[in-house]
Amino acid sequence: SQTIHQWPATLVQPVGSPLSLECTVEGTSNPNLYWYRQAAGRGLQLLFYSIGIDQISSEVPQNLSASRPQDRQFILSSKKLLLSDSGFYLCAGKGQDNSPLHFGNGTRLTVT
Amino acid sequence: GQSLEQPSEVTAVEGAIVQMNCTYQTSGFYGLSWYQQHDGGAPTFLSYNALDGLEETGRFSSFLSRSDSYGYLLLQELQMTDSASYFCAVREGYNQGGKLIFGHGTELSVKP
Repeated sequence: SQTIHQWPATLVQPVGSPLSLECTVEGTSNPNLYWYRQAAGRGLQLLFYSIGIDQISSEVPQNLSASRPQDRQFILSSKKLLLSDSGFYLCAGKGQDNSPLHFGNGTRLTVT
Repeated sequence: GQSLEQPSEVTAVEGAIVQMNCTYQTSGFYGLSWYQQHDGGAPTFLSYNALDGLEETGRFSSFLSRSDSYGYLLLQELQMTDSASYFCAVREGYNQGGKLIFGHGTELSVKP
């Protein structure tokens, strides 16, 4: 079965600092990978998704970027964090079929 | 535009039955999924409907009517541990490039 590894679990960063969140996938090859953000008490906002290495689609123009240097690695980055970047970031993946989405345990980011 | 509408809160009594609704308006539709998220945790997959009708998995059932752009999740024999947020999600694409758009979720509180 598919497992999504995501770290760190919590992160506190000052405004203007860079960000790098990494996600790796086990149990499936050539997965579709996703980054979602969840504000407190809200739904999941799709930020980026990828169907393959170096193939990234951005859903919401903003202060973040994503990269997929390897088949099972998906990275979320920012050069300069804003206060509004605070939230719960979730990496998710699914196989190239009708399988459901599997989520990592998330990173709770607080920008101060 | 894309939108999924869910009631924000539902309260029910232990042992009872509860129905949580979802209406959607999306540019593509390849199925409706339901996810459960406990406070502070990651969403986990519950059910998926690609075709009209009812899907049953234990105490959970999910219904879809594509002509009405409507679905619901039914929970029977409610338990205190069912207290969580429940999200419906529409799959907008098929296989490669397919992405899930989530609603804002319904927070279910189960009372003794």
